[in-house]
Amino acid sequence: AQKVTQAQTEISVVEKEDVTLDCVYETRDTTYYLFWYKQPPSGELVFLIRRNSFDEQNEISGRYSWNFQKSTSSFNFTITASQVVDSAVYFCALTPNAGGTSYGKLTFGQGTILTVHP
Amino acid sequence: DSGVTQTPKHLITATGQRVTLRCSPRSGDLSVYWYQQSLDQGLQFLIQYYNGEERAKGNILERFSAQQFPDLHSELNLSSLELGDSALYFCASSAFGGEAFFGQGTRLTVV
Repeated sequence: AQKVTQAQTEISVVEKEDVTLDCVYETRDTTYYLFWYKQPPSGELVFLIRRNSFDEQNEISGRYSWNFQKSTSSFNFTITASQVVDSAVYFCALTPNAGGTSYGKLTFGQGTILTVHP
Repeated sequence: DSGVTQTPKHLITATGQRVTLRCSPRSGDLSVYWYQQSLDQGLQFLIQYYNGEERAKGNILERFSAQQFPDLHSELNLSSLELGDSALYFCASSAFGGEAFFGQGTRLTVV
């Protein structure tokens, strides 16, 4: 069975602070994919990143960065210089690498509510 | 805009009724997934269809069913509705080897 744990239920920061959202996962699969999605107040789920379990390189995209550590089964997400528009619920998710037809069959964490105050 | 279209956006219905939620995937995506998001259960995978055939099943109740049509749109049918079925229902689609893109969801309220 797969499990994703986001221990931080809610985080509140002031604009321009850096914030890290934690994600820890459990899986028996040897290969898998990890994801982060954002759910803004409007409700839709927005894809942010996909990471293959073979690839432990950190990734940076603008103010966003992701740290994948297979040894600790963690895939943490950092927002640098946070902005009010970053306020949303952020979900970490996991799927086994079971072939290209199933990468949307996701096990989600419970989500972290991020509030960025002006 | 993810390119995945769900209708209706909101639905209010009474207990015991049946409703149909509709999803149009992104152009060319063969896989369609349905998810339920509720406060107590979080985001739960319900079912996946690939090119018209059921590919995977998750925590989907027997009162719920889905199908994918030849034009690749999908419908999720919820019957004998209970108060506890009130939730946000998402559809997502993906291309082969690609990540899932989600629609805006259908908010179902059962009264």
